[in-house]
Amino acid sequence: GIQVEQSPPDLILQEGANSTLRCNFSDSVNNLQWFHQNPWGQLINLFYIPSGTKQNGRLSATTVATERYSLLYISSSQTTDSGVYFCAGNQAGTALIFGKGTTLSVSS
Amino acid sequence: NAGVTQTPKFQVLKTGQSMTLQCAQDMNHEYMSWYRQDPGMGLRLIHYSVGAGITDQGEVPNGYNVSRSTTEDFPLRLLSAAPSQTSVYFCASSYQGSYEQYFGPGTRLTVT
Repeated sequence: GIQVEQSPPDLILQEGANSTLRCNFSDSVNNLQWFHQNPWGQLINLFYIPSGTKQNGRLSATTVATERYSLLYISSSQTTDSGVYFCAGNQAGTALIFGKGTTLSVSS
Repeated sequence: NAGVTQTPKFQVLKTGQSMTLQCAQDMNHEYMSWYRQDPGMGLRLIHYSVGAGITDQGEVPNGYNVSRSTTEDFPLRLLSAAPSQTSVYFCASSYQGSYEQYFGPGTRLTVT
């Protein structure tokens, strides 16, 4: 199966800072998603982005499918952005594989 | 739509007890799956189903059984709970396997 690597593993920011999270895949994928796991443990869908660029408020994501990586941008971070960010992907007919996540802490 | 629902939210079991974690979705999704989340391990697939009557094993299936008698429901059974099954369990569903997947709120299970 595919391997998913996320970097950095941990990130500490001051409120208002920008950040970039990266996700590398060992092989091409048909499905690529970014999730935010909040401090209460809930997994929230951020982006479904097998290729291209999407934006949702202060968050945006870009996937370069030919180079097998995806980036999640967080601008003007807020304390409510804290939590763990996961990327996950799969090929047709295979299971969704998760990276180990990036733990983000935003302080005021 | 309620989306993906899971019950119970919390459960404590003694070693050797059995129980069923419930998962239901109201989006008419064909694909459903169960994951467990352990500290430092991310989410790992236990079992999945591509439609009613069809199930298959994931990465960590030992100690768990599933069945899929309807499109809406995908229960996960622990036949004889062990402390190693202490974890947070998530159920997910999607239209098909390589489409966007939606996760339930999770069940936190402790086995003593």
